[in-house]
Amino acid sequence: KAGVTQTPRYLIKTRGQQVTLSCSPISGHRSVSWYQQTPGQGLQFLFEYFSETQRNKGNFPGRFSGRQFSNSRSEMNVSTLELGDSALYLCASSVVAGGPREQFFGPGTRLTVL
Amino acid sequence: GDSVTQMEGPVTLSEEAFLTINCTYTATGYPSLFWYVQYPGEGLQLLLKATKADDKGSNKGFEATYRKETTSFHLEKGSVQVSDSAVYFCALLNAGGTSYGKLTFGQGTILTVHP
Repeated sequence: KAGVTQTPRYLIKTRGQQVTLSCSPISGHRSVSWYQQTPGQGLQFLFEYFSETQRNKGNFPGRFSGRQFSNSRSEMNVSTLELGDSALYLCASSVVAGGPREQFFGPGTRLTVL
Repeated sequence: GDSVTQMEGPVTLSEEAFLTINCTYTATGYPSLFWYVQYPGEGLQLLLKATKADDKGSNKGFEATYRKETTSFHLEKGSVQVSDSAVYFCALLNAGGTSYGKLTFGQGTILTVHP
C-alpha cells in the first residue's frame, strides 16, 4: 500500500502571498489531520477532516484553512503569509473505526516564507 | 486539556548502551499512547502504540508499557545502534469531541548514538 503523499515537498514564498499544500492519504483512510512543526513550538495540531467535514480545529488564526474532497484527499491553505509561518507542514491519515486509531504521516512540506 | 511531557534531551549514548526516554501524560478518559520517530528531513514514523492500561507496545527492539497508575509510557531499548539516532516523540490520542484526530505530542527527544 502506498503511504501518505504530500506535494510539494518544498516551497518558498514571500510575505503576503498565499499557499496551498496537498495531501493524499493511504487508500481506505478517511481521516486526515494536519500539523505544523517548528523548532520553537514543536508539533501543533491544525485541523482534522473526515468525510469532507472539519471535525476539529487547533488554535491557529483564520488564515489557516483546509478542505477535504470526496476521495479523502485534503488541501490546506495559508493566506497572507507571515515570516512565522515558515515550518514543516505534516499531514497524517488514519482509519476511523472503533476509537482512536494510529495516524500515519507523510514526508511533509517544508515552507519557507521570505 | 491533554498534555505530554518528555524527558529533557538531548540524549547521547554509545552503541549497545541501554536507552530509556521518559514520557508522562495528562489526559481525561482513556487515551491511546504512541511513540513516533523522526529521521532528518523526513516525516514521523510510528514506532509503537498501546491502546489501554498495561498494554506493552514493541517494535524493532523498542518497548513501552502503558502505566495508568503513573500516567507514563517510557520508551526503552536494550541495545541501541547508530542507526537509532533520531528524534523521538511521545504522543497521545483521545476519543471524540475536541479530540477528534488530534495527536498531542511531547517536545521530542534527540537521540545520538556514537559507535
